[in-house]
Amino acid sequence: NAGVTQTPKFQVLKTGQSMTLQCAQDMNHNSMYWYRQDPGMGLRLIYYSASEGTTDKGEVPNGYNVSRLNKREFSLRLESAAPSQTSVYFCASSERDTVPQYFGPGTRLLVL
Amino acid sequence: QKEVEQNSGPLSVPEGAIASLNCTYSDRGSQSFFWYRQYSGKSPELIMFIYSNGDKEDGRFTAQLNKASQYVSLLIRDSQPSDSATYLCAVSTSNTGKLIFGQGTTLQVKP
Repeated sequence: NAGVTQTPKFQVLKTGQSMTLQCAQDMNHNSMYWYRQDPGMGLRLIYYSASEGTTDKGEVPNGYNVSRLNKREFSLRLESAAPSQTSVYFCASSERDTVPQYFGPGTRLLVL
Repeated sequence: QKEVEQNSGPLSVPEGAIASLNCTYSDRGSQSFFWYRQYSGKSPELIMFIYSNGDKEDGRFTAQLNKASQYVSLLIRDSQPSDSATYLCAVSTSNTGKLIFGQGTTLQVKP
């Protein structure tokens, strides 16, 4: 099992460009999450999906959109990238809330 | 007050010693508690979780939970240089069940 996979591993964007970060899990988990990690700020939840067909905002949703394509896949879209969105983005999944989450390898995004 | 607080460190211990990492949380209704290890440039890796008051042991790791004091800790026995990493404490919120992460404690184990 691959666990949680993310693509791309690294991306450089110019301000105003758009992109989609992809995430997939093969653990048959119901819940999926997108976090960003910034120095001194820890991991912050952007969006989550408790089950296929549902999505909800986390702590820092502004500037992002998500799609739960099916039970396996959860994508994060930046419509118009800003330098403040330079960060490391992690996708995670879990069977449900309150149980352990398992993280993907991350995507490093630099917005110039 | 931050919802989940950890001392950022670095915490430096000699090889073979016990490393003690601490975490306090503000939501008295929290039910689930997790410790993740994160090596530089890598993703968080789950190492322990605990739901009930008391101690939970797994190999060289022991998680300790005291809900009355709103305190959770991680002990690493016989610390090795390979344990050098940042350790993240995560706590589930009582209203949403989502995890809130502390900022992490950097552990350095010196040979």
